[in-house]
Amino acid sequence: DQQVKQNSPSLRVQEGRISILNCDYTNSMFDYFLWYKKYPAEGPTFLISISSIKDKNEDGRFTVFLNKSAKHLSLHIVPSQPGDSAVYFCAASDNYGQNFVFGPGTRLSVLP
Amino acid sequence: DSGVTQTPKHLITATGQRVTLRCSPRSGDLSVYWYQQSLDQGLQFLIQYYNGEERAKGNILERFSAQQFPDLHSELNLSSLELGDSALYFCASSSMRQGRQYGYTFGSGTRLTVV
Repeated sequence: DQQVKQNSPSLRVQEGRISILNCDYTNSMFDYFLWYKKYPAEGPTFLISISSIKDKNEDGRFTVFLNKSAKHLSLHIVPSQPGDSAVYFCAASDNYGQNFVFGPGTRLSVLP
Repeated sequence: DSGVTQTPKHLITATGQRVTLRCSPRSGDLSVYWYQQSLDQGLQFLIQYYNGEERAKGNILERFSAQQFPDLHSELNLSSLELGDSALYFCASSSMRQGRQYGYTFGSGTRLTVV
């Protein structure tokens, strides 16, 4: 049973518009969440994080929202750029970061 | 360059064979993690080492084993290979000083193809 779910395998967005990537989790003990971005032939790279004591974290064009009651988080990219086209992984941890559980990823395509 | 080095980048081998994947963590990082990414699958956690000792185990097959050496580099050994073992294998590292704020730093992966 997947503890971290990303139900949209792919997402296509027009350049300049908002991209919203969603992630759901089942383990209520998860208290720290990360988003990673992965380009082809490269390893995943850290994008943004959020702790369960917050409901929002912002870094430039990237904002992560956390809804603990719904066990849901989302990544907003505004405005979207063609260079944002990549696979985005959501990851969650419940044990002081000893082990992150990753979702299956969402492939974002930003169209010029 | 993330600072995590994985070799080789590509590996093609036959079923039944054994291979060794190597990972050098980022300087100063004591923890090494191995992940498997099969086609259209997420990142499956295999195993974690911390300063030479096994710390956590995930969905790692008995045919697979790993170790972390005194210089902190790690090797993942895959034996009796099957077609289904074809995947991208990622190594990641982290440090206690860094904590979990930035998660892990990943290498660029080894693409294993079993034919």
